[in-house]
Amino acid sequence: DTEVTQTPKHLVMGMTNKKSLKCEQHMGHRAMYWYKQKAKKPPELMFVYSYEKLSINESVPSRFSPECPNSSLLNLHLHALQPEDSALYLCASSQGGGEVEAQHFGDGTRLSIL
Amino acid sequence: RKEVEQDPGPFNVPEGATVAFNCTYSNSASQSFFWYRQDCRKEPKLLMSVYSSGNEDGRFTAQLNRASQYISLLIRDSKLSDSATYLCVVSPGNTGKLIFGQGTTLQVKP
Repeated sequence: DTEVTQTPKHLVMGMTNKKSLKCEQHMGHRAMYWYKQKAKKPPELMFVYSYEKLSINESVPSRFSPECPNSSLLNLHLHALQPEDSALYLCASSQGGGEVEAQHFGDGTRLSIL
Repeated sequence: RKEVEQDPGPFNVPEGATVAFNCTYSNSASQSFFWYRQDCRKEPKLLMSVYSSGNEDGRFTAQLNRASQYISLLIRDSKLSDSATYLCVVSPGNTGKLIFGQGTTLQVKP
């Protein structure tokens, strides 16, 4: 069982819809991440939050909007997505100290854009 | 040149075989190194961190050679359940960013 929980597991939406992906962890981690993964490719980093502040945005289009309401929660708001945005969206967390430590992944939201 | 390079495979081996995966990275300032395992349509899971002194966890041994910018993973006595994609992961600094290799696919056959 993963200690990082993502909801929903699957999401199908039209290009005009607005939806949100949610991620929650209760390990006391202070760094949280969003990744996008296409089939047969490695995860690609989208955003990094450190101590609830956005620290890295990997030039992600504005139709993806992250939010970190508190240290345990991370959201990804979606609006006007394109078919090429269909992918597995992974949330991860890590302790967030000075050194780089391993990240723990949730089991992802599989997103399909119609 | 990719920042982290792996042979994508697939590596097809019989049960009980020993198999080794290699990975090279381009940034000599990289600080942390990991092997993750990813099953089909599942999330990546940390297999082990990799240290300069080398480390072992049961049937799995990881090695790091900083001079050659090279990381390896050795799996002994392969099990059917070892079939997965193995991702070599490098952190270039203390930003929290992880750079993933393309992954090496392992298929263990009965």
